[in-house]
Amino acid sequence: AQTVTQSQPEMSVQEAETVTLSCTYDTSESDYYLFWYKQPPSRQMILVIRQEAYKQQNATENRFSVNFQKAAKSFSLKISDSQLGDAAMYFCAYRRSSWSGGSNYKLTFGKGTLLTVNP
Amino acid sequence: KAGVTQTPRYLIKTRGQQVTLSCSPISGHRSVSWYQQTPGQGLQFLFEYFSETQRNKGNFPGRFSGRQFSNSRSEMNVSTLELGDSALYLCASSLTPGGEKLFFGSGTQLSVL
Repeated sequence: AQTVTQSQPEMSVQEAETVTLSCTYDTSESDYYLFWYKQPPSRQMILVIRQEAYKQQNATENRFSVNFQKAAKSFSLKISDSQLGDAAMYFCAYRRSSWSGGSNYKLTFGKGTLLTVNP
Repeated sequence: KAGVTQTPRYLIKTRGQQVTLSCSPISGHRSVSWYQQTPGQGLQFLFEYFSETQRNKGNFPGRFSGRQFSNSRSEMNVSTLELGDSALYLCASSLTPGGEKLFFGSGTQLSVL
C-alpha cells in the first residue's frame, strides 16, 4: 500500500521569505502523480501543484515549485516570496496513474503541515 | 464554470440518526469521489463513482453508502450515526477516474451529538 509522510506538523515563515515543506512517499509503482494541496480556513482543498512521476523536470507554478527526487521518493514544496494568504494547511498526496493499470485512483494524503506566515 | 458544490455546509445530528450529503461535480466531470477528514485519522478515501457505478470503496463500515445519478451528481449516506462519524466530508470530481486534475468542494461539516 502507498503511504505519504509529512514530517513537519507545523512550519512558520516571515512574509516575503522562502519556505520548504517536506514530503516522502512509498510506492512500488513506477507511474503515478504527486500533488500538493492547500486547505485554508475555508476548508476547500485547493490544488497548488502537480507532478507526473515520468517527468524529470520539476513542476513550477508561479511562486510554488517542487523538488521531485524519484529515487529517494521525496517531493518537497518550495514557496518563494511568501504571502499572508499562503497561510494554510498543506497536504502532500499520491495517486496512481491511469497508465499503471487497475482501477483504484484514490488519493493518499499525508497528515499535513500547518504553515504560518508572519508579517 | 461553477466548481464542485457540496450541500449542506453544516449538519448537526444525534447518534442513531441517518444523514445524506450531496455533491454536484464540475460540469462535464463524470467521476466523483468522497473523502472523510478528521483530526485523528486525517483524510481517508470513502468511495468513488463513475457513470453511476461504484468503482472503489475505502475501508469503512457498511453504514457508509453512496450513489451517483445520471447527471453525475452524487450523494453519500451514513446510517445509524456514531459520535466518531463527526468529520468534514469532502467531495472531489474529475473528468474520468484517474484524471490528471481532481477538484474539491468546500465540504460538509457533520457533527454528531
